[in-house]
Amino acid sequence: LAKTTQPISMDSYEGQEVNITCSHNNIATNDYITWYQQFPSQGPRFIIQGYKTKVTNEVASLFIPADRKSSTLSLPRVSLSDTAVYYCLVGDGSNTGKLIFGQGTTLQVKP
Amino acid sequence: GAVVSQHPSRVICKSGTSVKIECRSLDFQATTMFWYRQFPKQSLMLMATSNEGSKATYEQGVEKDKFLINHASLTLSTLTVTSAHPEDSSFYICSASRQFQGDQPQHFGDGTRLSIL
Repeated sequence: LAKTTQPISMDSYEGQEVNITCSHNNIATNDYITWYQQFPSQGPRFIIQGYKTKVTNEVASLFIPADRKSSTLSLPRVSLSDTAVYYCLVGDGSNTGKLIFGQGTTLQVKP
Repeated sequence: GAVVSQHPSRVICKSGTSVKIECRSLDFQATTMFWYRQFPKQSLMLMATSNEGSKATYEQGVEKDKFLINHASLTLSTLTVTSAHPEDSSFYICSASRQFQGDQPQHFGDGTRLSIL
């Protein structure tokens, strides 16, 4: 199973750009990289997904280097409401669709 | 977008009671759904893969007789916690994706908070 490693916690201030990097050295050829956001007592919410290079949507950007062994989630101009746990996930490589969650990164945005 | 609904959102019951949690995909068909459990300040732990029309696949250490999963239709999976005890108190979350491929992200329900007294 692909394993991901993220910083346990990060602090930021309102209006700043936040970059959270995830390592996934054992990513398989057919795995996609997906990031989720979770607030307390809620299910994870999909943020962004990518396979290689750069992906951007209305809330975030995802940077994936050529070797795909890591990825960086970029949140532009964070606000207090972005305080949450962010999970980076990759597929399990066996095409079963299973997602194995790591510990995630707790982002604290301060005023 | 894809929406996954869970019901109920919260359950409080006495020890020994069996509790059923429903997971529905509202705007797409899901041949596969997943069930997770999350304890306070911990990450989500995959419990089982629910397959429509066949038996669920349980992760190592998860008791299949304790956590009964039924996936009777392409839009509904249920998790029944049988004879629940206080140690089963947790946050249970389901997920589903449109297709069984890596380019279709999983969407999660809002979870069910189970409290066993």
